Amino acid sequence: DARVTQTPRHKVTEMGQEVTMRCQPILGHNTVFWYRQTMMQGLELLAYFRNRAPLDDSGMPKDRFSAEMPDATLATLKIQPSEPRDSAVYFCASGSGGFSSYEQYFGPGTRLTVT
Amino acid sequence: QKEVEQNSGPLSVPEGAIASLNCTYSDRVSQSFFWYRQYSGKSPELIMSIYSNGDKEDGRFTAQLNKASQYVSLLIRDSQPSDSATYLCAVNKGNKLVFGAGTILRVKS
Repeated sequence: DARVTQTPRHKVTEMGQEVTMRCQPILGHNTVFWYRQTMMQGLELLAYFRNRAPLDDSGMPKDRFSAEMPDATLATLKIQPSEPRDSAVYFCASGSGGFSSYEQYFGPGTRLTVT
Repeated sequence: QKEVEQNSGPLSVPEGAIASLNCTYSDRVSQSFFWYRQYSGKSPELIMSIYSNGDKEDGRFTAQLNKASQYVSLLIRDSQPSDSATYLCAVNKGNKLVFGAGTILRVKS
């Protein structure tokens, strides 16, 4: 059963602390996306990768957020330092990235609360 | 103008009725269109994709695409209480997907 996995599922931290979220894309998928979802803003694209190379991170606050893909089975999203306004659900999604296929499959998400 | 627009709802339909969800998009060059279902507290789940004008049916779901009018719709036949969720419309913009804000559907038993 191919699925995107994310860890941790829940994270509560204090303002100023570093937060690292991890994602394992579906085996064979070469595109990975990071989204943030809040009630006010809906689903926002933060960054995405193709074949591990970052293609677009324009949706991410550059001063505190960073996204990497150290290998084909792991993508990370870091927030340092975290702020209360970062509280949201963070989703990772992956896709096969074919020219005519933009389907994306979402992981279960990491619910982040910054106090 | 938002790139992908949906009526936020909630759309309430009785059990067994047809639910009709609509979406309009602004980018004429978009070629791929998707419907995701999101239950409260869960992640979006891909339920339909459509690439050509016309209808595409999958079980109780039918996606309709009209590129000339720039709209996509999702029909759910024989609606069930388990269909109650938020439905997100997504449209490709290059390699990315742009999501609408979603329509809340409530199916009353």
